[in-house]
Formats: sequence, structure tokens, C-alpha cells
Amino acid sequence: AQSVTQLDSHVSVSEGTPVLLRCNYSSSYSPSLFWYVQHPNKGLQLLLKYTSAATLVKGINGFEAEFKKSETSFHLTKPSAHMSDAAEYFCVVSDPNFGNEKLTFGTGTRLTIIP
Amino acid sequence: SQTIHQWPATLVQPVGSPLSLECTVEGTSNPNLYWYRQAAGRGLQLLFYSVGIGQISSEVPQNLSASRPQDRQFILSSKKLLLSDSGFYLCAWTVGYEQYFGPGTRLTVT
Repeated sequence: AQSVTQLDSHVSVSEGTPVLLRCNYSSSYSPSLFWYVQHPNKGLQLLLKYTSAATLVKGINGFEAEFKKSETSFHLTKPSAHMSDAAEYFCVVSDPNFGNEKLTFGTGTRLTIIP
Repeated sequence: SQTIHQWPATLVQPVGSPLSLECTVEGTSNPNLYWYRQAAGRGLQLLFYSVGIGQISSEVPQNLSASRPQDRQFILSSKKLLLSDSGFYLCAWTVGYEQYFGPGTRLTVT
């Protein structure tokens, strides 16, 4: 079975500084990986996805993530944080036996932006 | 374009009362539909998914049930709510590799 570990439950950065949200995965097969963002009391929005194409994936709002198979990592980065980036971020892996039918979510990382 | 609706947005129910949450999708046909629950400070837990009318797969045994009476309608129900049923309930559907989520329903069981 696949699993996802988000290494930090809470990250705080100053506005204008880089953002790094860490994610490690475990999967017996080549996984599909996703990052979702959730603003308070809202649904989840897809930021970006990796589906065995380019290992560096660019998403919305200036975010990107790099798939590193040797490190089993899929960290999310952004060069310069904006106040509107404050939210909860989820790293997600799909079950290769079910494709996108079953997603396994990490426990989330709450990103706080310091003015 | 496709949109997904959930209602109600918030709900406060006493223990032992019934529950019905509704999710509808517009702009697509025969979508795969999902119900998730998000407890406070935790990730999302898949509860049910459906690949077609009347086809429901349950991921977690509990006092909740799901039904899909129409192609684009997905309902989450309970006959008697427990305190542990409190949480944020999200409906989702898939397009290719991606899942898209509705706005969610905040359920508080008192």
C-alpha cells in the first residue's frame, strides 16, 4: 500500500521569502503525486500533479514541485511567499491499482506567512 | 464548465439524529464521485466512492452510508449520528488524473 508523510505540520515564513513544504511517499509502483491547497472552511484546490512525465512540475500561483525517485520525495516550493499563500497544503499519492480512484492524503502542512 | 455543489454548507445536529448531505455535479456525465471526511487537524479520509448509478464502494466501516440515485447526485446519510461523526465533509469527482472538490459541509454533532 502507498503512503505519504508530510514532514512538517506547520511552517512559518516571512512574506517574500522562499517556501519549502516537504513530502515523502512510499509506493510499490510508479506513483502519481499531487499537491492540493485548502483555505479555511473551503474545499481543496489542485496546485499541481506529477504523472510520470517531467520530474519538475509547475503549478498554479507560482508553486512547483520536483519528483525525486531516489529520495522518494515530492517537495513543494515557491520562490517568494505571498500573504495569500497562507493555507493548509496536502501531499497526495494515488493508488496504482486504482489510478485516480483512490487517493491517499498526507496529514497536511499549515503554512503561515509573516508580514 | 464543470462545477460541484454541496449543501448544506454548515450543519449542527444532535447525537442520534439522522443525516443527509447532498452533492451534485454539473457539466459532465458519468463522473466518478467521492465522499471524504476531514477531522480537525487531520488529513482527508476516503469514505465512499462511486463509479456509476447505484454503485457504491465503502472504504471505512461505520454508521454512514452513501447512495447515488442519479448520475450526477451523490448522497451521504446516517440513521443515527455519533459525536465522532463531526468533521468537514467533502465531495469530489475525477477528471482524468485529477480530483476536484466541492466547497464542503461543516458538520457538528452535539
